[in-house]
Amino acid sequence: KAGVTQTPRYLIKTRGQQVTLSCSPISGHRSVSWYQQTPGQGLQFLFEYFSETQRNKGNFPGRFSGRQFSNSRSEMNVSTLELGDSALYLCASSFFGAEGYEQYFGPGTRLTVT
Amino acid sequence: AQRVTQPEKLLSVFKGAPVELKCNYSYSGSPELFWYVQYSRQRLQLLLRHISRESIKGFTADLNKGETSFHLKKPFAQEEDSAMYYCALSGPEHQGGKLIFGQGTELSVKP
Repeated sequence: KAGVTQTPRYLIKTRGQQVTLSCSPISGHRSVSWYQQTPGQGLQFLFEYFSETQRNKGNFPGRFSGRQFSNSRSEMNVSTLELGDSALYLCASSFFGAEGYEQYFGPGTRLTVT
Repeated sequence: AQRVTQPEKLLSVFKGAPVELKCNYSYSGSPELFWYVQYSRQRLQLLLRHISRESIKGFTADLNKGETSFHLKKPFAQEEDSAMYYCALSGPEHQGGKLIFGQGTELSVKP
C-alpha cells in the first residue's frame, strides 16, 4: 500500500496570510491526525478526524482548523499566520487493529512564516 | 494531566554498549504506550508498543505501572540505531488517534 502523503512538502508564507495543508491517508484508514513539530515544543497534537468528524482536539487556538472528506483525505488550515506557526506539520493515518490503534506518519509539510 | 517525560535529550554510547532510553508518563487510567523512531531524513515510524510485548531490532520495553515508566532497552547498541526516539501514549479507543509525545531523546552510537 502507498504510504501517507502530504502536500506541499515545503511552504513559505507571510505573517497574516492563511495556509492550507493536505494529507492523503493510507487506503482504508478512516482516522487522520495532525501534529505540529517544533524544536522548542516538540510534537504536539492538533486534532483528529474520523469519518469526516473531528473526534479529538488539542490545545491550539481557533486559527487552526481542519476537515476530512468522504474519501478520508484531510486538510488543515491555519488563518492569520504568526511567526510562531513556523513548524513541521505531520499528518498520521491510523486504523484500529487487533492490538489497538496504529498510526502511520507522513513526511510532513515544512511551513516557514516570515 | 496527560504527560510523557523523556529526561535525556541526548544519549551517547559506544557500539556494543547497552542502551536504556527513559520514559515516564502521567495518565489517569490505562494508557497505551509506544516508542517511535525517526532516522535521519526519514519519517516517524512505530518501533514498538507495550501491548504487543515483542522485540523489534533488538529493542524491548516493559511497562511498569507502579513506576509509570516505559523504558526502552537494547543490550548491544549498533551504529544504525542512531536516531531520535520518542515515547508516546494514547488513551482509550475513542482517543486512539491522539498521541501525547515526549520531547524525544537523540541516541548517538559511536563506532
